[in-house]
Amino acid sequence: DIQMTQSPSTLSASVGDRVTITCRASQSISSWLAWYQQKPGKAPKLLIYKASSLESGVPSRFSGSGSGTEFTLTISSLQPDDFATYYCQQYNSLWTFGQGTKVEIK
Amino acid sequence: EVQLVESGGGLVKPGGSLRLSCAASGFTFSSYSMNWVRQAPGKGLEWVSSISSSSSYIYYADSVKGRFTISRDNAKNSLYLQMNSLRAEDTAVYYCARDRGDGYNYEFDYWGQGTLVTVSS
Repeated sequence: DIQMTQSPSTLSASVGDRVTITCRASQSISSWLAWYQQKPGKAPKLLIYKASSLESGVPSRFSGSGSGTEFTLTISSLQPDDFATYYCQQYNSLWTFGQGTKVEIK
Repeated sequence: EVQLVESGGGLVKPGGSLRLSCAASGFTFSSYSMNWVRQAPGKGLEWVSSISSSSSYIYYADSVKGRFTISRDNAKNSLYLQMNSLRAEDTAVYYCARDRGDGYNYEFDYWGQGTLVTVSS
């Protein structure tokens, strides 16, 4: 089974900050990686797919990069609506989620 | 507009059974693989099961294999999850999620609002 490890688990940041979240796979997953945003009591929302493709309707301040085993999600300028929990997901071999990164207000 | 609406959650005793449903609308249901994902209270997301468009390919997480059964009825635009031998650790919100396509290597592009399953005596 492929394990996904996100870091950090919690991130404190201010509006306007550049934020980077890392996701590591236990084996190569090529570019079969997605990022989701989840707010309390709501379903996850797809942000990025195939490691770096921006989902339609998602603001361009979100970007993804990486391939193989190391991936990053970057928010170029954090907005009030971006305080949420972010999950990576591999879909190279079945499906596995990272444990999540909570982005909190500093 | 794509809509996924889960139902069937509730309180059940350990060892009991429950059947979840997901009603799909706004897209050609029979063309997409579908999934169940769960989230225990205060915890992260866990993929549970997937089924291809024609039910030819079915996959389960090890944690539910042998106890849960995924199925679909394309004529009714519905996805199901039969859950047997339920345990306390199955307590979670269960989400229905659509694959962007049919087969391998697709992300989940639409999600339902979830239905809560509580396993407790």
